[in-house]
Amino acid sequence: SAVISQKPSRDICQRGTSLTIQCQVDSQVTMMFWYRQQPGQSLTLIATANQGSEATYESGFVIDKFPISRPNLTFSTLTVSNMSPEDSSIYLCSAMTHPTGLSSNYGYTFGSGTRLTVV
Amino acid sequence: AQTVTQSQPEMSVQEAETVTLSCTYDTSENNYYLFWYKQPPSRQMILVIRQEAYKQQNATENRFSVNFQKAAKSFSLKISDSQLGDTAMYFCAFGEYGNKLVFGAGTILRVKS
Repeated sequence: SAVISQKPSRDICQRGTSLTIQCQVDSQVTMMFWYRQQPGQSLTLIATANQGSEATYESGFVIDKFPISRPNLTFSTLTVSNMSPEDSSIYLCSAMTHPTGLSSNYGYTFGSGTRLTVV
Repeated sequence: AQTVTQSQPEMSVQEAETVTLSCTYDTSENNYYLFWYKQPPSRQMILVIRQEAYKQQNATENRFSVNFQKAAKSFSLKISDSQLGDTAMYFCAFGEYGNKLVFGAGTILRVKS
């Protein structure tokens, strides 16, 4: 299945600054997703990123705060803008994969996550 | 909207024993996928097992198997011969083809030696 390289793995940032997280997939994928996860909790979807169209944001998340780019079928970035300590969290990207078109191969693969601490 | 419920926040099991993690979901759809993911302290989300809703046969992957009850909307994970490396957070997830995943709250599993 597809492999996602996510960078950076962790960062400590000053409040008021922005951080861009990158995800590179080793094969072409149509749909990518960005999640936020507080330690010990479940994943919360921020937005769905499709190539060639604007990202679709979930309730409670806005483009000005979390701009997303999806320039091609193997790459996406999430920017956390004007950061505050409340943005400290783990951010994960994910991609829908369907390598052979068979239903038995359908799934979702994940990057290794970015641990963000805002001070 | 679809929802996924994991009612066991934490579970413990002795090494080599069997443990079952529960998951229920709610949907009005007929065709969908169900997944169990494992997340160790490394944060990496690892696919444990996948079930296609149209298949009646329960999925198995080595020591991992599911009990899929479509009518009851239940999807439990059984781990046999538990190993220390199975210690992790386990997430049940629901997904329709071409759509986002919906996750449960997770179950922390601790395997004791």
